[in-house]
Amino acid sequence: NAGVTQTPKFQVLKTGQSMTLQCAQDMNHEYMSWYRQDPGMGLRLIHYSVGAGITDQGEVPNGYNVSRSTTEDFPLRLLSAAPSQTSVYFCASRLAVITDTQYFGPGTRLTVL
Amino acid sequence: DAKTTQPPSMDCAEGRAANLPCNHSTISGNEYVYWYRQIHSQGPQYIIHGLKNNETNEMASLIITEDRKSSTLILPHATLRDTAVYYCIVMNSGGSNYKLTFGKGTLLTVNP
Repeated sequence: NAGVTQTPKFQVLKTGQSMTLQCAQDMNHEYMSWYRQDPGMGLRLIHYSVGAGITDQGEVPNGYNVSRSTTEDFPLRLLSAAPSQTSVYFCASRLAVITDTQYFGPGTRLTVL
Repeated sequence: DAKTTQPPSMDCAEGRAANLPCNHSTISGNEYVYWYRQIHSQGPQYIIHGLKNNETNEMASLIITEDRKSSTLILPHATLRDTAVYYCIVMNSGGSNYKLTFGKGTLLTVNP
């Protein structure tokens, strides 16, 4: 069991570029989500998904798109990167409604110049 | 979700018990208390959760007061690897309330 994996670990972008952060889990979890964490702050929810084909917005969705074509994968797309999106991004998953134990990936450190 | 209040930082000697407090005076009857921690540069890690009764697992113990307005996370024998930011979170279990709201937490430093 690899758990929750994220790629890449580090990324530097120029303003206006687009990219996709990858997230995958092998635990057959229904729920997946993306958070961002800025220095000195807690995690803020960007988007989440309650199952394949279903996604919804979190607290800070602007500038990001997601899709969930399979149970395993939940990629996060930055449409046109801005310096304000410089952050550490964490993907998380949980099994189902009954439990709220979330498993987090190792994170992607993104810098937008 | 109920808001929580935690001290910004605490120190603990290696091998001693670390007791991390959390106030959640506005907690409602169907809200659980969850604890996560985040070791530097890593993703958050689940520790323990509870509703009313005290809970214990291989990582820690959770003591919830009878009125449920506060709780304490206990690491019985802290090690250097327990140095991390510890987050106390109060939320409903399951349903549509999916969002985990992390505050600033408590930075626990375990000293040799």
